Amino acid sequence: DGGITQSPKYLFRKEGQNVTLSCEQNLNHDAMYWYRQDPGQGLRLIYYSQIVNDFQKGDIAEGYSVSREKKESFPLTVTSAQKNPTAFYLCATRTGYTDTQYFGPGTRLTVL
Amino acid sequence: AQKVTQAQTEISVVEKEDVTLDCVYETRDTTYYLFWYKQPPSGELVFLIRRNSFDEQNEISGRYSWNFQKSTSSFNFTITASQVVDSAVYFCALSESGGSYIPTFGRGTSLIVHP
Repeated sequence: DGGITQSPKYLFRKEGQNVTLSCEQNLNHDAMYWYRQDPGQGLRLIYYSQIVNDFQKGDIAEGYSVSREKKESFPLTVTSAQKNPTAFYLCATRTGYTDTQYFGPGTRLTVL
Repeated sequence: AQKVTQAQTEISVVEKEDVTLDCVYETRDTTYYLFWYKQPPSGELVFLIRRNSFDEQNEISGRYSWNFQKSTSSFNFTITASQVVDSAVYFCALSESGGSYIPTFGRGTSLIVHP
């Protein structure tokens, strides 16, 4: 099936540990995005990538890192420097021909 | 700078009622795009509609309809004869042309449809 996969759905980590969230797509979309969603708030952009081997910081990049070695994959690492990492993380993609973003199912990260 | 306001934080209706979700936006661009997404309890954002700034024609898709008015900078979403399955958080978003296609999202409106 074509689509965007985020794994795992739920993730628990101890404070001080780095954790990597997976985002894979087989839509052949060029651009990929990471958003953070907190209760009662909209989506805030963490990082985005328009092409392979290139990515840009979003509004709240501090404490996060990404890589884009393959078109299909855009993993997000939540580092120990991120002060409040507990949140719902959404990955999105966009084809080069339109500005519509399509979203994955999300990963809910809880730091204990 | 672009901005999207969804003033309604939460709306509660009884099944079969009609409900309108408001979206007001701000932009200095003459070319821009507006979106609505639905986020059911499962969490995934589902794309509903995209509208460009040159197309003010209203759109209807089944029980869903959208009213775009540039004069009031609004892009409202109406659900007719609401159903329990419509319960979700709905987000309005705005994307300006010529940028990196980074949309600005509103804070969302939580719609609860009671049986």
